[in-house]
This record gives sequence, structure tokens and C-alpha cells, in this order.
Amino acid sequence: AQTVTQSQPEMSVQEAETVTLSCTYDTSESDYYLFWYKQPPSRQMILVIRQEAYKQQNATENRFSVNFQKAAKSFSLKISDSQLGDAAMYFCAYRRKGTDKLIFGTGTRLQVFP
Amino acid sequence: NAGVTQTPKFQVLKTGQSMTLQCAQDMNHNSMYWYRQDPGMGLRLIYYSASEGTTDKGEVPNGYNVSRLNKREFSLRLESAAPSQTSVYFCASDGVRGRFGETQYFGPGTRLLVL
Repeated sequence: AQTVTQSQPEMSVQEAETVTLSCTYDTSESDYYLFWYKQPPSRQMILVIRQEAYKQQNATENRFSVNFQKAAKSFSLKISDSQLGDAAMYFCAYRRKGTDKLIFGTGTRLQVFP
Repeated sequence: NAGVTQTPKFQVLKTGQSMTLQCAQDMNHNSMYWYRQDPGMGLRLIYYSASEGTTDKGEVPNGYNVSRLNKREFSLRLESAAPSQTSVYFCASDGVRGRFGETQYFGPGTRLLVL
């Protein structure tokens, strides 16, 4: 069975600095998607970034980028120029292509200090 | 577009009461999902519907029923609420086409407290 592990329950960063959130996953599949979702205090789940496994290029969305290491089954999220509004829970998720199930990690709480 | 909407936003129930959580999406998505989120845990899938007229159990279906009323709407029913069902419930939907195909979009959540 596929699993997603986020080993950092909490992280903190100074405003304007860079922080990296870790995620590892376990799968025997070769074609899948990986996601990072942000959950601010409002509880809304917001898609941050999406990576397709067969694409070697790391996905980027403005200040958010990933380091996707397929062989190592690692999918970390880098937030550059951190802002106070980045403070939230961040969830890593896995989905095998062509299936309906999205498997979540337990989340990392990010604090941003001014 | 409103995206995915959920009602109510917050509900308090007594043990044994029943209620239905409503979800609707206006993105013409085929698939819809219900999750629950408990403290210290990620989201866990309760039920999902891959298309209108079909539903399937997820990881934690016990104590729940669902109805895919039409392509837009997917409801979750608690027939006899228990304190263990105190949680935040999220509805989500996704489609297979486009730049973000197979990406789930979430509603704002329903916070349920069962006393």
C-alpha cells in the first residue's frame, strides 16, 4: 500500500527567508502525481503545487518550488522569500495516475516569524 | 465560479441524531469525494463517487452513507451520530482534463461536533 510520510510536525522560518518542507512516499508505481496542499487557519485546503512523476523537471509556482527525487521517493517543498501569509499546515499527497484515491501525509505546521 | 461549496459550515449534534452534509461543485467534474480530518492526522477518505450514479467506500466508511444526487451534488449522511464522528469534513472534486487534471479541489469544510 502507498504511504506518505511527513517527518517534520512543525517548522519555523523568518520572514523573507527560505524554508524546505520534507515529504517521502512509498509506492511501487511509476506513473503518479504528487501534490502539496496548504491549509491556513481558515481550514480551506488550497493546492500549492503539483508534480507529475514522469516529468523530470521540478514544478514551480512563483515562490514555491519542489525538489522531486523519484528514485529516492522524495518530494520536498521549498518556499522562498517567506511571507506571514505562508503560515499554515502543509500536506503532501500522492495519487496513482488513473485512480481516484489521494493519500495524504500527516502535515507540517509552518510558522513564519516577522 | 464558486468551485466546491459545502453546507453547513458548522453543526452541533447530540449522540443519535442524524444529519446530511451537502456538497456541490460547478466545475463539471466527474469525481467527488468526502474526507474527514482529525487532529494530528491528514485527510482520510470516507466515500467517493467516480461518476454520477456510482459510489465507493474509502478508508473510513463506517457510520456514513452517501448519495450522488446528480453530477453537481454529493451528500454525506450520518444516520446516528456518535462522538467519534466529531471532525472536520471536506468535500472535493476533480476532473481528468486540463492542466490540472486529476487534481482535487476542496470545499471550505464543515466542522461537526457530536455531544
